[in-house]
Amino acid sequence: GAGVSQSPRYKVAKRGQDVALRCDPISGHVSLFWYQQALGQGPEFLTYFQNEAQLDKSGLPSDRFFAERPEGSVSTLKIQRTQQEDSAVYLCASSLDRTSNEQYFGPGTRLTVT
Amino acid sequence: AQTVTQSQPEMSVQEAETVTLSCTYDTSESDYYLFWYKQPPSRQMILVIRQEAYKQQNATENRFSVNFQKAAKSFSLKISDSQLGDAAMYFCAYRPGADGLTFGKGTHLIIQP
Repeated sequence: GAGVSQSPRYKVAKRGQDVALRCDPISGHVSLFWYQQALGQGPEFLTYFQNEAQLDKSGLPSDRFFAERPEGSVSTLKIQRTQQEDSAVYLCASSLDRTSNEQYFGPGTRLTVT
Repeated sequence: AQTVTQSQPEMSVQEAETVTLSCTYDTSESDYYLFWYKQPPSRQMILVIRQEAYKQQNATENRFSVNFQKAAKSFSLKISDSQLGDAAMYFCAYRPGADGLTFGKGTHLIIQP
């Protein structure tokens, strides 16, 4: 079946622009996670949804970052007034339910802020 | 806060040989999960192997096995009979309960033909 998909795969934004990154989880997966991976680093947790409820947003680096999953399926990560330090790969992952051990990752969106 | 440390930025191994990647972690939890993920240059993160902390038996998946030392908070990955397709970044990750994963900085594995 289809895996986790993310769009766009690449995004170039000028500093100060707003961007929206989309994640389509595996159909039926209840849990959805966003991670930020800077160049040469491991992914860092940003936020977590169970269905449409955002249960943990402790990893969001600033109030410029906002995530939503209004119908419990597709999720959007929005970054307002982008800064150069926001340049990274943004990874989305989904899992079947909250107790599931395995998270399935998408290919990521590479954001470059110029 | 939980931390995951991978002390080997890069490892190199001859094809068909065995290599061990190191990982240590710090936590005050007693129940948690540990994972090794592989990230090839295409960047799709793939689960290699997982270990539940309450299980004493080390997990094994074909050529991949772990050495889990709970008291020492150590979780190393052994790859036997290394293949060219094993070349990738390998990340150790920790998860308490249903929360997000905490990753190490990764080890770049090079397979020499």
